[in-house]
Formats: sequence, C-alpha cells, structure tokens
Amino acid sequence: DAGVTQSPTHLIKTRGQQVTLRCSPKSGHDTVSWYQQALGQGPQFIFQYYEEEERQRGNFPDRFSGHQFPNYSSELNVNALLLGDSALYLCASSFSGGWQPQHFGDGTRLSIL
Amino acid sequence: SQQGEEDPQALSIQEGENATMNCSYKTSINNLQWYRQNSGRGLVHLILIRSNEREKHSGRLRVTLDTSKKSSSLLITASRAADTASYFCATDGSSNTGKLIFGQGTTLQVKP
Repeated sequence: DAGVTQSPTHLIKTRGQQVTLRCSPKSGHDTVSWYQQALGQGPQFIFQYYEEEERQRGNFPDRFSGHQFPNYSSELNVNALLLGDSALYLCASSFSGGWQPQHFGDGTRLSIL
Repeated sequence: SQQGEEDPQALSIQEGENATMNCSYKTSINNLQWYRQNSGRGLVHLILIRSNEREKHSGRLRVTLDTSKKSSSLLITASRAADTASYFCATDGSSNTGKLIFGQGTTLQVKP
C-alpha cells in the first residue's frame, strides 16, 4: 500500500518563475494538506483541499494556489517565485471520516536562485 | 506563524539514556500530537494526546499535557541511535479540521 508520494523530489527555479508540485495521497485518503518547511523550522500550513475545494488556508499570499483532482491527488502552484520561497514543501493526506493522523510525503525541495 | 516554542532546540545524549523535550503552545486545543522527522524525510506521526488527558504512553514514548500551562512534554526512554531525528509538537488550535500548527522542533542526536 503506497503512502503519500510527491514529485519532483528536487527542483531548482529562478526568481519570477512559476512552479507546480504534485502529490498523490495515501490510498483511502480524501483530504490533502500542503505545508512549507523552511530550513531549521517547523512546517507551516499553506492550505487544505477536500472534495476538490480549498477548505482552509494559512497565512500565505495568493501567489500560492492549489487544486485537487477527482482522484484526490493535488497540485501546489507558486507564481512569481521569490528567494524566500526556497523550502521543503510537504504534502499530507488524511481521511475526513473521523480523526486520523496525517500521513506525510517526503516532500519536494525547492531552491530559488 | 509558529504555535509556540520547543525546548531544547537541540539535545545530544548517549544510547540507553532518556530524552525529554518540551513544547509550549498559545491557543486552546482539542488535541496535541508529536511527529518525528528524519533528515530529508517527511514527518511520521508518533502519538496524540487529547485535551482531557494528562498522560499517554506508546511503547518507549510517554507524553504529558498540562493545559493550564499550555505545555506538553515527550519522553523517549532507553533511546537508540535510530531515534536520532527532529521532533515536533503540533496542535489543531480548536478547529479540529486537520490544520496543524507546528512548533519549531527539537533536534535529537543519540550517540551509539
């Protein structure tokens, strides 16, 4: 049973570019959350998707957007990249029916030059 | 923004010793969770304690919660080299919707 998978594992972009990160949730999970983790810090919540809609959003600008597909997979898009967007981007999935722990992927390491 | 602080930021011990790390948070909560992160990997859920619980055990892990002080502690007994990782506490605020608010983490090194 595959866990949460994220692609790509590493990505290098330059300032001003746009990037799309992808996440496939654990089998049976219908909710996907995205987190940004700067070096040496704890993860910060970006947003959460359920039933193909953004259900919650953290304190991130509109440059960060997302999508959830009918198969529950999700994308995170970041426009107009800034040097400060360099971080590990983590995807976590869970099941909406009753409390269950979130399962995290190994993340995408995004470096902005 | 981060939920609170974790203490200490870094901890180095010998195999077989116990490791204790502390977490403080700012808002009311439904539950508090602890996660482990190995270098370059994702987070792994360790244990959850609900706001009406004071102590919980899971294998070599013991978690305590003091809601009056808005603090929690994680004790790892008889530590092993494989326990080397960063440990984070996370709360859901009071929303119970899965939005986790993480602390800054404690980096634990267990020397063989």
